[in-house]
Amino acid sequence: EVELVQSGGGLVRPGGSLRLSCEASGFNFSSYEMNWVRQAPAKGLEWISYISGSGKTISYADSVKGRFTVSRDNAKNSLYLHMNSLKAEDTAVYYCARVEKSPSLELRYWGQGSLVTVSS
Amino acid sequence: DIQLTQSPSSLSASVGDRVTITCRASQSVSNYLNWYQQKPGKAPSLLIYSTATLQSGVPSRFRGSGFGTEFTLTISSLQPEDFATYYCQQSYTAPRTFGQGTKVEIK
Repeated sequence: EVELVQSGGGLVRPGGSLRLSCEASGFNFSSYEMNWVRQAPAKGLEWISYISGSGKTISYADSVKGRFTVSRDNAKNSLYLHMNSLKAEDTAVYYCARVEKSPSLELRYWGQGSLVTVSS
Repeated sequence: DIQLTQSPSSLSASVGDRVTITCRASQSVSNYLNWYQQKPGKAPSLLIYSTATLQSGVPSRFRGSGFGTEFTLTISSLQPEDFATYYCQQSYTAPRTFGQGTKVEIK
Protein backbone atom coordinates (compact mmCIF):
# COMPACT_ATOMS: atom_id res chain seq x y z
CA GLU A 1 0.00 0.00 0.00
CA VAL A 2 1.36 3.41 -0.97
CA GLU A 3 1.77 5.70 1.99
CA LEU A 4 3.23 9.17 2.43
CA VAL A 5 3.75 10.20 6.03
CA GLN A 6 4.70 13.79 6.71
CA SER A 7 6.48 15.31 9.67
CA GLY A 8 7.87 18.67 10.65
CA GLY A 9 5.86 21.84 10.58
CA GLY A 10 4.91 24.06 13.46
CA LEU A 11 5.20 27.67 14.53
CA VAL A 12 8.13 29.72 13.28
CA ARG A 13 8.93 33.44 13.44
CA PRO A 14 9.15 35.56 10.28
CA GLY A 15 12.59 35.20 8.75
CA GLY A 16 13.03 31.78 10.33
CA SER A 17 13.61 28.37 8.83
CA LEU A 18 11.90 25.01 8.95
CA ARG A 19 12.24 21.61 7.33
CA LEU A 20 9.36 19.38 6.31
CA SER A 21 9.79 15.65 5.71
CA CYS A 22 7.75 13.14 3.77
CA GLU A 23 8.53 9.45 4.25
CA ALA A 24 7.32 7.13 1.51
CA SER A 25 6.51 3.45 1.65
CA GLY A 26 4.84 0.83 -0.50
CA PHE A 27 6.51 1.76 -3.79
CA ASN A 28 9.89 2.21 -5.47
CA PHE A 29 10.45 5.76 -4.23
CA SER A 30 13.48 6.53 -6.38
CA SER A 31 11.58 6.01 -9.60
CA TYR A 32 8.88 8.59 -8.92
CA GLU A 33 8.82 12.34 -9.23
CA MET A 34 7.47 14.04 -6.12
CA ASN A 35 5.68 17.36 -5.67
CA TRP A 36 4.99 19.80 -2.86
CA VAL A 37 1.65 21.60 -2.82
CA ARG A 38 0.46 24.05 -0.17
CA GLN A 39 -2.83 25.52 0.95
CA ALA A 40 -3.10 28.74 2.91
CA PRO A 41 -5.95 28.95 5.44
CA ALA A 42 -9.33 29.03 3.67
CA LYS A 43 -7.55 29.34 0.32
CA GLY A 44 -6.99 27.13 -2.71
CA LEU A 45 -4.20 24.79 -3.64
CA GLU A 46 -0.85 26.16 -4.76
CA TRP A 47 1.72 23.98 -6.53
CA ILE A 48 5.16 24.92 -5.25
CA SER A 49 7.78 22.40 -6.34
CA TYR A 50 8.74 19.17 -8.06
CA ILE A 51 11.80 16.98 -7.90
CA SER A 52 12.57 14.11 -10.25
CA GLY A 53 13.19 10.59 -9.03
CA SER A 54 16.95 11.01 -9.28
CA GLY A 55 16.82 14.46 -7.70
CA LYS A 56 18.57 15.98 -10.70
CA THR A 57 15.60 17.94 -12.06
CA ILE A 58 13.90 20.45 -9.81
CA SER A 59 11.43 23.27 -10.35
CA TYR A 60 9.84 25.86 -8.07
CA ALA A 61 6.97 28.29 -8.16
CA ASP A 62 8.09 31.92 -8.26
CA SER A 63 6.53 32.49 -4.83
CA VAL A 64 9.13 30.27 -3.13
CA LYS A 65 12.07 30.34 -5.55
CA GLY A 66 15.30 31.29 -3.82
CA ARG A 67 13.86 30.63 -0.34
CA PHE A 68 12.71 27.01 -0.45
CA THR A 69 14.80 23.99 -1.43
CA VAL A 70 13.41 20.57 -2.23
CA SER A 71 15.61 17.51 -1.81
CA ARG A 72 15.28 13.77 -1.45
CA ASP A 73 17.20 10.87 0.06
CA ASN A 74 16.26 7.81 -1.94
CA ALA A 75 18.15 5.52 0.45
CA LYS A 76 15.79 6.69 3.20
CA ASN A 77 12.68 6.90 0.96
CA SER A 78 12.32 10.47 2.08
CA LEU A 79 11.45 13.82 0.55
CA TYR A 80 12.28 17.14 2.16
CA LEU A 81 11.29 20.78 1.87
CA HIS A 82 13.76 23.21 3.41
CA MET A 83 12.09 26.56 3.97
CA ASN A 84 14.16 29.67 4.68
CA SER A 85 13.34 33.38 5.07
CA LEU A 86 9.79 32.47 5.97
CA LYS A 87 7.07 35.08 5.62
CA ALA A 88 3.58 35.35 7.06
CA GLU A 89 2.19 34.49 3.63
CA ASP A 90 3.95 31.11 3.77
CA THR A 91 1.51 30.07 6.50
CA ALA A 92 -0.24 27.04 5.04
CA VAL A 93 -0.77 23.32 5.15
CA TYR A 94 1.96 21.72 3.05
CA TYR A 95 1.33 18.45 1.23
CA CYS A 96 3.75 16.09 -0.45
CA ALA A 97 2.36 14.10 -3.35
CA ARG A 98 3.54 11.39 -5.72
CA VAL A 99 3.46 12.13 -9.43
CA GLU A 100 2.15 9.29 -11.57
CA LYS A 101 4.19 8.01 -14.48
CA SER A 102 1.69 9.09 -17.06
CA PRO A 103 1.60 11.96 -19.56
CA SER A 104 -0.82 13.81 -17.32
CA LEU A 105 1.52 13.72 -14.28
CA GLU A 106 -1.45 13.50 -11.95
CA LEU A 107 -1.09 13.45 -8.16
CA ARG A 108 -2.66 10.20 -7.04
CA TYR A 109 -1.19 9.81 -3.57
CA TRP A 110 -0.91 12.60 -1.02
CA GLY A 111 0.57 12.97 2.44
CA GLN A 112 -1.63 13.97 5.33
CA GLY A 113 -0.36 17.54 5.35
CA SER A 114 1.89 19.55 7.67
CA LEU A 115 0.77 22.88 9.10
CA VAL A 116 3.33 25.67 9.01
CA THR A 117 2.46 28.87 10.86
CA VAL A 118 4.70 31.90 10.42
CA SER A 119 3.99 34.44 13.11
CA SER A 120 5.77 36.56 15.67
CA ASP B 1 2.78 30.93 -16.15
CA ILE B 2 -0.49 29.32 -17.23
CA GLN B 3 -3.48 30.65 -15.32
CA LEU B 4 -6.50 28.44 -14.69
CA THR B 5 -9.83 30.11 -14.00
CA GLN B 6 -12.67 28.04 -12.62
CA SER B 7 -16.30 29.04 -12.78
CA PRO B 8 -18.32 29.35 -10.77
CA SER B 9 -16.26 29.88 -7.59
CA SER B 10 -19.12 28.37 -5.64
CA LEU B 11 -22.53 26.92 -6.26
CA SER B 12 -25.48 25.64 -4.31
CA ALA B 13 -27.21 22.53 -5.56
CA SER B 14 -29.57 19.83 -4.40
CA VAL B 15 -29.08 16.09 -4.28
CA GLY B 16 -29.87 14.73 -7.72
CA ASP B 17 -28.96 17.93 -9.57
CA ARG B 18 -26.66 17.97 -12.57
CA VAL B 19 -23.62 20.15 -11.86
CA THR B 20 -21.08 21.55 -14.32
CA ILE B 21 -17.82 23.25 -13.40
CA THR B 22 -15.69 24.98 -16.02
CA CYS B 23 -11.91 25.42 -16.02
CA ARG B 24 -10.39 27.81 -18.55
CA ALA B 25 -6.66 27.97 -19.23
CA SER B 26 -4.83 31.14 -20.28
CA GLN B 27 -3.11 29.12 -23.02
CA SER B 28 -3.47 25.64 -24.40
CA VAL B 29 -2.64 22.77 -22.06
CA SER B 30 -3.60 20.11 -24.63
CA ASN B 31 -5.32 17.40 -22.58
CA TYR B 32 -2.97 17.67 -19.59
CA LEU B 33 -5.72 18.64 -17.20
CA ASN B 34 -6.58 16.90 -13.93
CA TRP B 35 -9.42 17.32 -11.43
CA TYR B 36 -9.26 16.88 -7.66
CA GLN B 37 -11.88 16.79 -4.93
CA GLN B 38 -11.14 18.11 -1.46
CA LYS B 39 -13.26 17.80 1.67
CA PRO B 40 -12.69 19.99 4.74
CA GLY B 41 -9.61 19.07 6.73
CA LYS B 42 -8.53 16.42 4.24
CA ALA B 43 -5.88 16.13 1.55
CA PRO B 44 -7.14 16.47 -2.01
CA SER B 45 -8.03 13.28 -3.85
CA LEU B 46 -7.64 12.60 -7.55
CA LEU B 47 -10.91 12.41 -9.49
CA ILE B 48 -10.04 12.63 -13.17
CA TYR B 49 -6.76 12.79 -15.08
CA SER B 50 -5.84 13.46 -18.69
CA THR B 51 -9.04 15.50 -19.00
CA ALA B 52 -11.45 12.56 -19.06
CA THR B 53 -10.02 9.42 -17.41
CA LEU B 54 -11.70 8.52 -14.15
CA GLN B 55 -9.41 7.54 -11.31
CA SER B 56 -10.09 3.99 -10.13
CA GLY B 57 -13.00 3.90 -7.72
CA VAL B 58 -14.51 7.21 -8.79
CA PRO B 59 -18.23 6.88 -9.57
CA SER B 60 -19.32 7.11 -13.17
CA ARG B 61 -21.53 10.11 -12.40
CA PHE B 62 -18.33 12.17 -12.69
CA ARG B 63 -17.30 13.09 -16.22
CA GLY B 64 -14.52 15.25 -17.57
CA SER B 65 -14.24 16.74 -21.03
CA GLY B 66 -12.48 19.41 -23.04
CA PHE B 67 -9.22 20.17 -24.81
CA GLY B 68 -6.84 23.04 -25.19
CA THR B 69 -8.13 25.91 -23.07
CA GLU B 70 -11.62 24.91 -21.99
CA PHE B 71 -12.52 21.99 -19.77
CA THR B 72 -15.55 20.86 -17.82
CA LEU B 73 -16.24 18.61 -14.87
CA THR B 74 -19.81 17.33 -14.80
CA ILE B 75 -21.54 15.50 -11.98
CA SER B 76 -24.63 13.94 -13.52
CA SER B 77 -26.60 13.42 -10.33
CA LEU B 78 -25.18 15.08 -7.23
CA GLN B 79 -24.92 12.82 -4.19
CA PRO B 80 -24.50 13.86 -0.53
CA GLU B 81 -20.86 12.77 -0.52
CA ASP B 82 -20.08 15.04 -3.49
CA PHE B 83 -20.39 18.25 -1.49
CA ALA B 84 -16.78 19.40 -1.53
CA THR B 85 -14.39 21.76 -3.27
CA TYR B 86 -13.14 20.85 -6.73
CA TYR B 87 -9.86 21.96 -8.30
CA CYS B 88 -8.50 21.67 -11.81
CA GLN B 89 -4.75 21.46 -12.37
CA GLN B 90 -2.68 21.67 -15.52
CA SER B 91 0.39 19.50 -15.92
CA TYR B 92 1.35 20.76 -19.38
CA THR B 93 4.19 22.88 -18.05
CA ALA B 94 5.75 24.06 -14.79
CA PRO B 95 4.56 25.69 -12.65
CA ARG B 96 1.77 23.10 -12.65
CA THR B 97 -0.90 25.53 -11.59
CA PHE B 98 -4.25 24.86 -9.97
CA GLY B 99 -7.52 26.65 -10.51
CA GLN B 100 -8.85 28.66 -7.58
CA GLY B 101 -11.41 26.00 -6.72
CA THR B 102 -15.18 25.57 -6.92
CA LYS B 103 -17.05 24.92 -3.71
CA VAL B 104 -20.18 22.80 -4.14
CA GLU B 105 -22.60 23.41 -1.28
CA ILE B 106 -25.94 21.99 -0.30
CA LYS B 107 -28.96 24.06 -1.32
